[in-house]
Amino acid sequence: KAGVTQTPRYLIKTRGQQVTLSCSPISGHRSVSWYQQTPGQGLQFLFEYFSETQRNKGNFPGRFSGRQFSNSRSEMNVSTLELGDSALYLCASSLALPFTGELFFGEGSRLTVL
Amino acid sequence: DQQVKQNSPSLSVQEGRISILNCDYTNSMFDYFLWYKKYPAEGPTFLISISSIKDKNEDGRFTVFLNKSAKHLSLHIVPSQPGDSAVYFCADTVSSNTGKLIFGQGTTLQVKP
Repeated sequence: KAGVTQTPRYLIKTRGQQVTLSCSPISGHRSVSWYQQTPGQGLQFLFEYFSETQRNKGNFPGRFSGRQFSNSRSEMNVSTLELGDSALYLCASSLALPFTGELFFGEGSRLTVL
Repeated sequence: DQQVKQNSPSLSVQEGRISILNCDYTNSMFDYFLWYKKYPAEGPTFLISISSIKDKNEDGRFTVFLNKSAKHLSLHIVPSQPGDSAVYFCADTVSSNTGKLIFGQGTTLQVKP
């Protein structure tokens, strides 16, 4: 069974540009969530999608957005990039409801903003 | 505001000894606490969880303890092995209807041979 796949794995952008990251969840998983990891900050929740609807959103500015497609694949977009957006962006999928905490993470997309 | 804190950024132990990682939480709204493990260049992987109706859960070398009165969670690894060297995150669920977790900042564990 294939795991969560994220593309691209690494990317470099400059300030002011925008970026789109892609995530394919485990087959059958309908919930996809996104997290940002920066040194010393742990994993910060960005948003969660379930059946193409945003079910939850974290405390990030509107420059961060996402969507989910009918096949459960998800994308997140960051517009007008800032230096502080440099981070590892992790996508996770889950199956079970009621949710008991187990997420399956991809390897992440490492974004560097210059 | 729901928060999870890991106050020790790093921990170093000798192979074969016990590793104890700690976590404090506030205002837990739902009833599952978890530990995730992360190696460099990999995504976090689920390690062990505990329901708030329990005070201990054990899985092989890993045991999680929950002290609800102190709002404190700990992970014990016995015996520690060099392969356990990784970053460990504790996490708290928000509700049963959303896949959102609140994570701590992480503790880097180094197990020396």
